[in-house]
Amino acid sequence: KAGVTQTPRYLIKTRGQQVTLSCSPISGHRSVSWYQQTPGQGLQFLFEYFSETQRNKGNFPGRFSGRQFSNSRSEMNVSTLELGDSALYLCASSLRREGNEQFFGPGTRLTVL
Amino acid sequence: DQQVKQNSPSLSVQEGRISILNCDYTNSMFDYFLWYKKYPAEGPTFLISISSIKDKNEDGRFTVFLNKSAKHLSLHIVPSQPGDSAVYFCAASGNQFYFGTGTSLTVIP
Repeated sequence: KAGVTQTPRYLIKTRGQQVTLSCSPISGHRSVSWYQQTPGQGLQFLFEYFSETQRNKGNFPGRFSGRQFSNSRSEMNVSTLELGDSALYLCASSLRREGNEQFFGPGTRLTVL
Repeated sequence: DQQVKQNSPSLSVQEGRISILNCDYTNSMFDYFLWYKKYPAEGPTFLISISSIKDKNEDGRFTVFLNKSAKHLSLHIVPSQPGDSAVYFCAASGNQFYFGTGTSLTVIP
C-alpha cells in the first residue's frame, strides 16, 4: 500500500507570495491532518479534515487554509507569506479520528525569502 | 500553551544500554498517547502507543509507561542500537493530536 505523498518536496517563495501544498493520504484513509514543524517548536497542529469537512483547527492565522476533496486528497494554502512561515509542513493521514495512529508523509520544506 | 512537553532536547546512550525518553502532559482528558520516531528528511513514523486505561505497553525492545497521576509518559528502549538514533516525539490524543518538541537520541556504538 502506497504511503502518504506530499508535493512538492521543496519550495522557495518570497514574502507576500502565496503557496499551495498537496497531500495524498493512504488509500482508504479519510482523515488528513496538517502540521508545521519548526526548530524548537515541535509539530504544531494546523488543521484536520475528515470526509471533506474541517473538523479541527489549530492556533494559526487565517492566512493558513486548507481543503479536502472527495478522494480524501488535501491541499493547504498559505497566503501573504512571511519569513516566519519557513518550516517543514507535514501531512498525516489516518483511518479515522480519535486515538488512531497517524501516518506521515515526508513533508514539504518551505523557505520564504 | 504547550500541552505536551519533552524537557530533554537531546540524549546520548551507549549501544546496548537502556534509553529512557520522557514526556509530560497537562491535560488529564487525553485518552491515547503515542511515540513517533523521525529521521532527517523523513516524516515521523509511528513507534508505539498506549491507551489511558493502561499503564504499560510493550513491543519488542520498546516499552511505554504511563503514570496518569503524575501526567508522565516514558519510552524505554532496551537494548539501544545505533539505528535507534533519531528524534523521538511523544504525542497525546484529545480533540486533536498534540506533539512534544522532540528529543534527539544518539546511540553511540
